[in-house]
Amino acid sequence: KAGVTQTPRYLIKTRGQQVTLSCSPISGHRSVSWYQQTPGQGLQFLFEYFSETQRNKGNFPGRFSGRQFSNSRSEMNVSTLELGDSALYLCASSLKMDTEAFFGQGTRLTVV
Amino acid sequence: QKEVEQDPGPLSVPEGAIVSLNCTYSNSAFQYFMWYRQYSRKGPELLMYTYSSGNKEDGRFTAQVDKSSKYISLFIRDSQPSDSATYLCAMTLNTGFQKLVFGTGTRLLVSP
Repeated sequence: KAGVTQTPRYLIKTRGQQVTLSCSPISGHRSVSWYQQTPGQGLQFLFEYFSETQRNKGNFPGRFSGRQFSNSRSEMNVSTLELGDSALYLCASSLKMDTEAFFGQGTRLTVV
Repeated sequence: QKEVEQDPGPLSVPEGAIVSLNCTYSNSAFQYFMWYRQYSRKGPELLMYTYSSGNKEDGRFTAQVDKSSKYISLFIRDSQPSDSATYLCAMTLNTGFQKLVFGTGTRLLVSP
């Protein structure tokens, strides 16, 4: 079956711009979580959605936001981009909130 | 100080060696412990997960959790060049796979 699909795979944005990343979970999965991966900080939890509701949120500024649609697809948005937002953004989906999380390939965002 | 500490490596071993990867953590409330493998330009892949203390074996992989010492390990027997990747430990306070806290990862290189 198809895995977690993240689009786009690569993005280059300018400081101050905003960006939207997309995640399509595995068919039937209702939980989607987002992580930021950087060389210095590693993988850090951003937020988790289940049935269109945000269930958990990490320690990131309000510039980072997300949502989940009725078909479980999820988007995350970063506004007023900063150089430090350059990272690999990973999405993971689970059947339920307490089952194994499967990661996508990620979106590599570069802010210049 | 990070909640989860992991030696970044790289750890270089010859093919066939037994590999030991470790993480220490500071929060005694962590309940679920996982090991992920991440190849370059790919998303993390779940290898093993355990609940509370104890050992779990799956093929060439053995995961150990010592909650009294706040220390977890992953052993890889008969290591193969295809095991060359970054290994990430992760843990969570809640049931299952919500809001994972990751180590920064150990890069493993297995030479033929």
